[in-house]
Amino acid sequence: EAGVAQSPRYKIIEKRQSVAFWCNPISGHATLYWYQQILGQGPKLLIQFQNNGVVDDSQLPKDRFSAERLKGVDSTLKIQPAKLEDSAVYLCASSSNPQGGLDEQFFGPGTRLTVL
Amino acid sequence: GDSVTQMEGPVTLSEEAFLTINCTYTATGYPSLFWYVQYPGEGLQLLLKATKADDKGSNKGFEATYRKETTSFHLEKGSVQVSDSAVYFCALTGGYNKLIFGAGTRLAVHP
Repeated sequence: EAGVAQSPRYKIIEKRQSVAFWCNPISGHATLYWYQQILGQGPKLLIQFQNNGVVDDSQLPKDRFSAERLKGVDSTLKIQPAKLEDSAVYLCASSSNPQGGLDEQFFGPGTRLTVL
Repeated sequence: GDSVTQMEGPVTLSEEAFLTINCTYTATGYPSLFWYVQYPGEGLQLLLKATKADDKGSNKGFEATYRKETTSFHLEKGSVQVSDSAVYFCALTGGYNKLIFGAGTRLAVHP
C-alpha cells in the first residue's frame, strides 16, 4: 500500500512570495491533516479535513494560509505572502476513521520550506 | 490548553545502554498517548500507544506506561542499538483525533 505522498520535498522562496504544497493521502483515508514543524519543535496542527469538510482550522493563520481538499482526496496548502517565520517542514498525514475518532495517523515525508 | 513536555536532548548513549526519555502531559479529559519516531531522512512513524490509564504500549523493545497519577508516559528500552538513533516525539490526542506533540528528543547511540 502506497504511503502519504507530498510534493515538493524542498522549496526555497523569498519573503512575500507565494508557495503551494500538495498532499495525496493513503487511498480510502477520510481524514487529512496538515502540520507545521518548526526546527527544534514538535509538529503543530494547522488544519484537519474530514472528507472535503474542515474539522479544525483554529491554528491556521488565515490571513496568509489557505488549504483545500477538493473531492475529499488530494489537498493543497498555500501560503501567500510568505514570511520568514514560515520556514518549517510542512507535514501531511491521513487516517482512515471516517468519524474522526481515535485512529493512527500516517505521515508523509514532508516539504521543507525555507523563506529568505 | 493541552500540552506535552519531554526531556531535552540530545541524549547520547553507548550501544546496549538503558534508555529513558521522560514525557509528562497536561490535558483535560482522558487523552490517548503516543510515542512517534523520526529516523534520519524519514517521516514520522508511530512507535507505540496507550489509550487508557495503566495501559502499557510496546513495540521493537520500547515500552511506555500510561500513568494518570503522575500524568506521565516515559519511554524506555532495556538495550539500545545504533539503529535506534532518531528523534522521539511524545504526543497526546486533543479533540477530533488531532495530535499535540512535545518538542522531541534526539537520541544518538554510539557503538
